[in-house]
Amino acid sequence: DGGITQSPKYLFRKEGQNVTLSCEQNLNHDAMYWYRQDPGQGLRLIYYSQIVNDFQKGDIAEGYSVSREKKESFPLTVTSAQKNPTAFYLCASKEAGRYEQYFGPGTRLTVT
Amino acid sequence: AQSVTQPDIHITVSEGASLELRCNYSYGATPYLFWYVQSPGQGLQLLLKYFSGDTLVQGIKGFEAEFKRSQSSFNLRKPSVHWSDAAEYFCAVARGGGSTLGRLYFGRGTQLTVWP
Repeated sequence: DGGITQSPKYLFRKEGQNVTLSCEQNLNHDAMYWYRQDPGQGLRLIYYSQIVNDFQKGDIAEGYSVSREKKESFPLTVTSAQKNPTAFYLCASKEAGRYEQYFGPGTRLTVT
Repeated sequence: AQSVTQPDIHITVSEGASLELRCNYSYGATPYLFWYVQSPGQGLQLLLKYFSGDTLVQGIKGFEAEFKRSQSSFNLRKPSVHWSDAAEYFCAVARGGGSTLGRLYFGRGTQLTVWP
């Protein structure tokens, strides 16, 4: 089955620790995206990547980092510099030349 | 800059009633428009999309949406709501004009509650 997988579904960390969220797709999509979702705020773009070894900051990149070493993988690291990391994180991908994005099931991160 | 407004934060309808969720966008050129649905704790699922052509588009699960350029709107409709439609709905717009950037701009969402 083609799709986007995110793991784990739930993640708990102590404040001050970095944590990496996984996103893998087998759709052969070129572009991948990370969004953060908080209640009542819709989706906010953190980082995106249109090709391997290249990525751009979105609207709320501070405190986050990414890498794109393989076409199918786009991991997101939430660093200790992120002031308010507890949120629902969604990964998405799309084909080059198209506009619709397809989403993974999300990871809920709780930092205490 | 692109923006998307969903004026209704929360809508409640009875099962079997009709539904309309509002979406307004601001963008100078022809936008690419989308509706997504999200069940609690899940990712977003694409319901339908509008790129060009017929302004009334059909989607999955019996939903449709109408693009009205004069009103900068792309409202989502369903003639008869089922209890399983209870979810959060997001409108999104992408910049057209040949851009390959593909950024989607999302509204804040409308939470739909369905009464039995």
